[in-house]
Amino acid sequence: GQNIDQPTEMTATEGAIVQINCTYQTSGFNGLFWYQQHAGEAPTFLSYNVLDGLEEKGRFSSFLSRSKGYSYLLLKELQMKDSASYLCAFSSNTGKLIFGQGTTLQVKP
Amino acid sequence: SAVISQKPSRDICQRGTSLTIQCQVDSQVTMMFWYRQQPGQSLTLIATANQGSEATYESGFVIDKFPISRPNLTFSTLTVSNMSPEDSSIYLCSVTGTEYEQYFGPGTRLTVT
Repeated sequence: GQNIDQPTEMTATEGAIVQINCTYQTSGFNGLFWYQQHAGEAPTFLSYNVLDGLEEKGRFSSFLSRSKGYSYLLLKELQMKDSASYLCAFSSNTGKLIFGQGTTLQVKP
Repeated sequence: SAVISQKPSRDICQRGTSLTIQCQVDSQVTMMFWYRQQPGQSLTLIATANQGSEATYESGFVIDKFPISRPNLTFSTLTVSNMSPEDSSIYLCSVTGTEYEQYFGPGTRLTVT
């Protein structure tokens, strides 16, 4: 079967670093995606990993281990505007995205 | 990435009625998808909108309830039929980019009373 799991909520302090973990199980895999969604808005694409390793994009980095079915999103130098939901999703062989429940991140001053 | 628009942005409808949501993309795309996001929940795929053929529905979603049209490579509609309060959700269309990533339209916020 297919499933994907991530923590429901996290809290971090402005200026700090936070890591949001995601584990998944699937037979067909075409990549792991992270999206950011602010309340009342559509999800916006953050990152894509298809090979093992770390992809860095500014303050955001994403890591993938396909053998472990594991990914994380790393946010550095947290800002108040980073308070949002972060959605982990994998792409199946058919191009469909299967989303996790999302992690609501609250950044505190 | 493609620019995606949706109409309407929001609506309040009475139970038993139907609403058709439009999704327009500024470039031709192969794959278009329709998602539902219920309050406080993540995204659930309703169907893949196929150009020139019937949509492919996910488990739990049926054509009679959510008929979909895709007349060309830039446009699709989703109809929510015979609505009930449980259909109150945000409905989003999405298109694929160059590497399987998907880009989402702004969403249609539907409230059924």
